[in-house]
Amino acid sequence: LAKTTQPISMDSYEGQEVNITCSHNNIATNDYITWYQQFPSQGPRFIIQGYKTKVTNEVASLFIPADRKSSTLSLPRVSLSDTAVYYCLVGGNTGRRALTFGSGTRLQVQP
Amino acid sequence: NAGVTQTPKFQVLKTGQSMTLQCAQDMNHEYMSWYRQDPGMGLRLIHYSVGAGITDQGEVPNGYNVSRSTTEDFPLRLLSAAPSQTSVYFCASTQTGTGFHEQYFGPGTRLTVT
Repeated sequence: LAKTTQPISMDSYEGQEVNITCSHNNIATNDYITWYQQFPSQGPRFIIQGYKTKVTNEVASLFIPADRKSSTLSLPRVSLSDTAVYYCLVGGNTGRRALTFGSGTRLQVQP
Repeated sequence: NAGVTQTPKFQVLKTGQSMTLQCAQDMNHEYMSWYRQDPGMGLRLIHYSVGAGITDQGEVPNGYNVSRSTTEDFPLRLLSAAPSQTSVYFCASTQTGTGFHEQYFGPGTRLTVT
């Protein structure tokens, strides 16, 4: 499974846009890129997934360059409730659907 | 739909005791898995199952057993608890088949082994 690297932590203020970049140099041709969010004492929750170019949903955007060796999760106008750990994962399109989690990025949003 | 449910929410065991963590899903998902999360760390895969009667090991299977007699249930058994198994345990489920499928996680079981 492809290994991912992302910053350990980030700080932001309410109302700002936050971009979290993840590198995945060994991504396979059939791998998806997925981001999960985890609040303290809760299980991870799916945010967004993509294969290439740009994907947008009601909570985030995901930017994937043509070589797919990295991706950027963009959270527009963050609020205090966006304080969480964000995990970037690749894979999910094989018979083994279990995900490999890294340590994630701990986002702290200040008022 | 209740989604993925886990019981108990909290458990304290003494070293050497055994117990079963329960996981159930009502989404008719074929794929289920167990993860453990130590403080400040990401989730690590313990065991997974691609359908009833089929299980396989993940990254950290030692000390744990699983079985999958029905599509809905995927219990995790600790045969002889050790302090190193103190962790939060998450169960997850998803569909199989080609293409991307979101994983759904349960609320977790916080286990302390003294």
